[in-house]
Amino acid sequence: GAVVSQHPSWVICKSGTSVKIECRSLDFQATTMFWYRQFPKQSLMLMATSNEGSKATYEQGVEKDKFLINHASLTLSTLTVTSAHPEDSSFYICSARDGREGPNNEQFFGPGTRLTVL
Amino acid sequence: SQQGEEDPQALSIQEGENATMNCSYKTSINNLQWYRQNSGRGLVHLILIRSNEREKHSGRLRVTLDTSKKSSSLLITASRAADTASYFCATVFSGGYNKLIFGAGTRLAVHP
Repeated sequence: GAVVSQHPSWVICKSGTSVKIECRSLDFQATTMFWYRQFPKQSLMLMATSNEGSKATYEQGVEKDKFLINHASLTLSTLTVTSAHPEDSSFYICSARDGREGPNNEQFFGPGTRLTVL
Repeated sequence: SQQGEEDPQALSIQEGENATMNCSYKTSINNLQWYRQNSGRGLVHLILIRSNEREKHSGRLRVTLDTSKKSSSLLITASRAADTASYFCATVFSGGYNKLIFGAGTRLAVHP
């Protein structure tokens, strides 16, 4: 199956700093990428949908100025957590869909990034 | 908000037994998918069942879909300790960009 990578796999930062997480599709062109957040023992919550070359669409309750998403190419989307606080500590997971295969095909998930804000 | 609910929230069984997890959703879907997640790890895609399908098999996995009841079930037969994980259903509904929305998940523990 297609491979999606995330970098870094884990990051620890101080409160008030910004953290950038990268999501890359390694062997296909991802016209659409999705960002999820998962708190311990909970399910994945969709944060935003990222389309190459256009602004991201954020889910209700997600602050767009705090979680900056850039989908600059067909293989890379980035999520920047700005002015991170301890409550932003979570597991962030991206997924990507191969745009050539139509809208109902499988999404491929990255391995996740664990963010800890001290 | 979450698309649907799963039950049970937690399931504990012995190796060799079957495990059944249920998922309900709220809106019309294009397809429904099941994923597995080991503790603190990424997701593993198990099965995708389309809205016009009623049952699908993959190895020891059997998924059913009842669109009239807006529900799906995942059956794992002859479970193994290695099946211990959280299992999530996720639906793709026609809400723009075909977003994948996850259910709350079932934590399965298979004891040797």
